[in-house]
Amino acid sequence: DARVTQTPRDKVTEMGQEVTMRCQPILGHNTVFWYRQTMMQGLELLAYFRNRAPLDDSGMPKDRFSAEMPDATLATLKIQPSEPRDSAVYFCASGRTGAGNTIYFGEGSWLTVV
Amino acid sequence: DQQVKQNSPSLSVQEGRISILNCDYTNSMFDYFLWYKKYPAEGPTFLISISSIKDKNEDGRFTVFLNKSAKHLSLHIVPSQPGDSAVYFCAASRNTGTASKLTFGTGTRLQVTL
Repeated sequence: DARVTQTPRDKVTEMGQEVTMRCQPILGHNTVFWYRQTMMQGLELLAYFRNRAPLDDSGMPKDRFSAEMPDATLATLKIQPSEPRDSAVYFCASGRTGAGNTIYFGEGSWLTVV
Repeated sequence: DQQVKQNSPSLSVQEGRISILNCDYTNSMFDYFLWYKKYPAEGPTFLISISSIKDKNEDGRFTVFLNKSAKHLSLHIVPSQPGDSAVYFCAASRNTGTASKLTFGTGTRLQVTL
């Protein structure tokens, strides 16, 4: 059963701490997305990669957020330093070029910054 | 600038009746549209999609209609079932078939009552 795997599922941290979220895309998928869900904005795109290269990170606050793909099976989203306004659910999704526009989401990482 | 809009935050429908969820978009470059369904504490799951070359796509109880001139799409669920209670996100993309980024609306919470 192929699926996107995200860790951690839940994270509570203090303001100012570093937070790293990890994602394992579906095997064979070459496009990875990071979305954030908030009450006001719905699902907003933070960044996405194709074949491990960043294609668009315009939705990400550059001063504190960074996204990388160290290899094809791992994507990371890091927040340093974290702030209370970063509290949200962060979703990773993956897709494959040539296989339509459907992308598949993980279960999300629930972040609370206190 | 919200390019994909779901103006109804919530909708309540009786079991067995039709549910109609609406979505409007502003970017005329969008050529592929999708609906995702999201249960609490889970990631969004793909439901149904439509290409801009069509005006209707049907899959079992779910039908999506696209009106390009009005930049409007709708999801019809007939008959509605209690298990359909979830948040529904409309999404749009460009460059069909390339696993491009999806722009999401803010979601509509559907409640199907007995």
